[in-house]
Order: sequence, then C-alpha cells, then structure tokens
Amino acid sequence: QSVLTQPPSVSAAPGQKVTISCSGSSSNIGNNYVSWYQQLPGAAPKLLIYDNNKRPSGIPDRFSGSKSGTSATLGITGLQTGDEADYYCGTWDTMRGVFGGGTKLTVL
Amino acid sequence: EVQLVETGGGLIQPGGSLRLSCAASGFSISTNYMSWVRQAPGKGLEWVSVIYSSGSTYHADSVKGRFTLSRDNSKNTLYLQMNSLRAEDTAVYYCARDHPTGNYPAFDIWGQGTMVTVSS
Repeated sequence: QSVLTQPPSVSAAPGQKVTISCSGSSSNIGNNYVSWYQQLPGAAPKLLIYDNNKRPSGIPDRFSGSKSGTSATLGITGLQTGDEADYYCGTWDTMRGVFGGGTKLTVL
Repeated sequence: EVQLVETGGGLIQPGGSLRLSCAASGFSISTNYMSWVRQAPGKGLEWVSVIYSSGSTYHADSVKGRFTLSRDNSKNTLYLQMNSLRAEDTAVYYCARDHPTGNYPAFDIWGQGTMVTVSS
C-alpha cells in the first residue's frame, strides 16, 4: 500500500483534458514539494513536474501541476496517443522518499 | 552528454550480496543528491536510498540495515551494496539524479535500470 494515493486508471479521448490526483498527509505532501513522472512501457521514468508546478526544460506546457493542502494534481491538456503511460507522484516524508501507486492513462 | 549507466544486476540467491554501480557522465555526483529507486515486476516505483552532496544517506525502512549507499567521487560513480537479499528485493533498480535547483525529490536524470532477481 502506497503512502500517496492515486487513482489506478484514468481515460479520455484525444484532444481532451485529464487530471490525476495524488492524496497524502501533512507529513508528506502537506509540508513538502511534489514531483510527477511519466513512465512509458519499458522505459525509465521521466520528470514532468517538480516543485509542485515547475516544468523541466523540454516538457510542453500541456503538462501542469498544482498542490493544495495535502493533495496534488497533474493536468494534461490536448491529449495525444503518445501520452498513454503510467504516471507517478512523489514527495518526501519524514526522512524517506515516497511515491504514489501510479495511474495508468488510457487515451481512447 | 548528461547520463547515468547502471551495472551489476543479475540473479542472486536469497541471503546473498550484490553491488550495483551507477556511472555518471556530464555532471559531478559529489555536488548533487543521488538516489536509487526500484520497481518490482509489474509494480510501481519504490524509493530506496539517497546520498546528499554532504555525504549523508537515508534509506527506506525495507532496506535499512541491509543496503549501503556510497560514492567514489574520483570515478564519478555511485554504489549500492545490497546484503541479505530477499525475494522481495527483486526489481529493476534505477539510479537517479535530483534536479540541481529543485527541492528533493525531483529526479531529472535516470539511468536505464539494472535488473536484480533474488531466487533460488
């Protein structure tokens, strides 16, 4: 059981918008920064969002992040078939790193 | 080019030991936070360990007392010494760099991963 809670799966049509939630507590999300990762099948994870809402160089602005209290959200607009992947949130929690269980995004 | 290359994975019997290496290029591991993250077959990501630029290390409870994280700055290489291995340690092990200006954790560079299989 993961410390951070994510929905197992989400789906949407190409061109649409989707959001993925990440729920935690005061010991993790509530007092630390959140990062988000995309993992394509058979590949290493890729950083999409860090410090709650910052995008690394090269990440399109279709990807956005936000945080409120003990929850964080990843938003993806203009969905493309290439966005089909597993998405993970991550943060710090009392001297250890923690991840969510992952959300599988299906682009219908 | 900034990259990380892990080596050292393989098949090991329960109770055995293995040392993973992560060779960095294009940046210095001594001035960055460096971590190991693992992923069991078909499962999600699990944080394993971190070494700060100061040299301080932290480990997940699941590996504390069994895994040791170290680095050789002259070789620009990170090591994960894994002892008393268990079946539940079976996973792909990724080495990752923390974003230089972000707040930990923000893994911006990942290696390709190395598979560790613990089985008799």
